[in-house]
Amino acid sequence: NAGVTQTPKFQVLKTGQSMTLQCAQDMNHNSMYWYRQDPGMGLRLIYYSASEGTTDKGEVPNGYNVSRLNKREFSLRLESAAPSQTSVYFCASSEVGRVKAFFGQGTRLTVV
Amino acid sequence: GQQVMQIPQYQHVQEGEDFTTYCNSSTTLSNIQWYKQRPGGHPVFLIQLVKSGEVKKQKRLTFQFGEAKKNSSLHITATQTTDVGTYFCAVVTNTGNQFYFGTGTSLTVIP
Repeated sequence: NAGVTQTPKFQVLKTGQSMTLQCAQDMNHNSMYWYRQDPGMGLRLIYYSASEGTTDKGEVPNGYNVSRLNKREFSLRLESAAPSQTSVYFCASSEVGRVKAFFGQGTRLTVV
Repeated sequence: GQQVMQIPQYQHVQEGEDFTTYCNSSTTLSNIQWYKQRPGGHPVFLIQLVKSGEVKKQKRLTFQFGEAKKNSSLHITATQTTDVGTYFCAVVTNTGNQFYFGTGTSLTVIP
């Protein structure tokens, strides 16, 4: 049972480049999330998807887009990367109803 | 989103000492969850508290939810090097669709 799988694990981008972070879960969860983690800032919610076909903004959505491709997959896209987007990105999933979140291994992104 | 403040941001303890991290909110919380993130790892769920005054234990870890449901604490008795990591509290919205995390407490245990 793989749980939540993120790719890639590491990425270096130049300012202005675009990229998509992939996330897939095999637990049949309805809800999926993208967070970014910065030192001293904790985990901040970028976007979430409560169910297949829906997406909503979180706390820090600017500069990002998401796609809930199907129930398993939730991708995060940076259209024009900026140094301020250097961070560790985590995808997570959960069932609806205030149950626990399961996290992927994270993507460490550096924008130079 | 719901804001939860977590203190302290960092804590260094000698192995065998106790450790406590606190999570505070200005509003009444419906629930509180705690997660642990090992260095270089990802957050892993520890526990959820939902009742006023609730206390739960997991071996050397004790979790409390305040009577007013505005604060929570995680206490570790006699820390070990395996306790090293960052501890986060989190609040899940009533719709169950959003998890909001505190800023975390980074614990270093000195052997």
